[in-house]
Amino acid sequence: EIVLTQSPGTLSLSPGERGTLSCRASQSVSSTYLAWYQQRPGQAPRLLIYGTSRRATGIPDRFSGSGSGTDFTLTISRLEPEDFAVYYCQQYVASPWTFGQGTKVEIK
Amino acid sequence: QVHLVESGGGVVQSERSLRLSCAASGFNFRISGMHWVRQAPGKGLEWVAVIWADGSKTIYADPVKGRFTISKDNSENTLYLQMNSLRVEDTAVYYCARDQGGAPFDIWGQGTMVTVSS
Repeated sequence: EIVLTQSPGTLSLSPGERGTLSCRASQSVSSTYLAWYQQRPGQAPRLLIYGTSRRATGIPDRFSGSGSGTDFTLTISRLEPEDFAVYYCQQYVASPWTFGQGTKVEIK
Repeated sequence: QVHLVESGGGVVQSERSLRLSCAASGFNFRISGMHWVRQAPGKGLEWVAVIWADGSKTIYADPVKGRFTISKDNSENTLYLQMNSLRVEDTAVYYCARDQGGAPFDIWGQGTMVTVSS
């Protein structure tokens, strides 16, 4: 099983600031199979990024993804009020599909 | 409009059974693989099960193997999760999600809450 570890657990930032979220895999993951999801309180997760760096339909360009091998990053260039949420990385290269434990981005 | 709508959640005693449904609309359900993902209160996302588009293959997470059964009715555009021998630790919101084959989960339902009491 591929274990994904996200850091930090909580990120306290102000609107307009840049946010950098990390996801580390326990073994190498092909960049084709790494995704990021956003989950706002009381809502279902929403696909943000797939294939490490490809934005899903309708996702604003302030969200970007990068990385390779075991280290991946989600960057939010300028935080908008609606971006304060929990973010999960996921690998979908192999069963069992696994998620990181999540990073909460909260208002400072 | 692409939609997934779960139903069937509720409060059930441990060791009892429950069947969840996920109604799909707005896309070709027949060619879509489907997953169930759950989220315990205040916790992260946990993958539960997957079924191939044609129903030919299923895979389960270890915690539910032998107790849960995923199935899909392509004529009714509906995904199911039969949950038997429920345990308190199965308490969670259950989401269905689409996977177009080796792909991320691009469509999610709103979730249905399952509470298992002892």
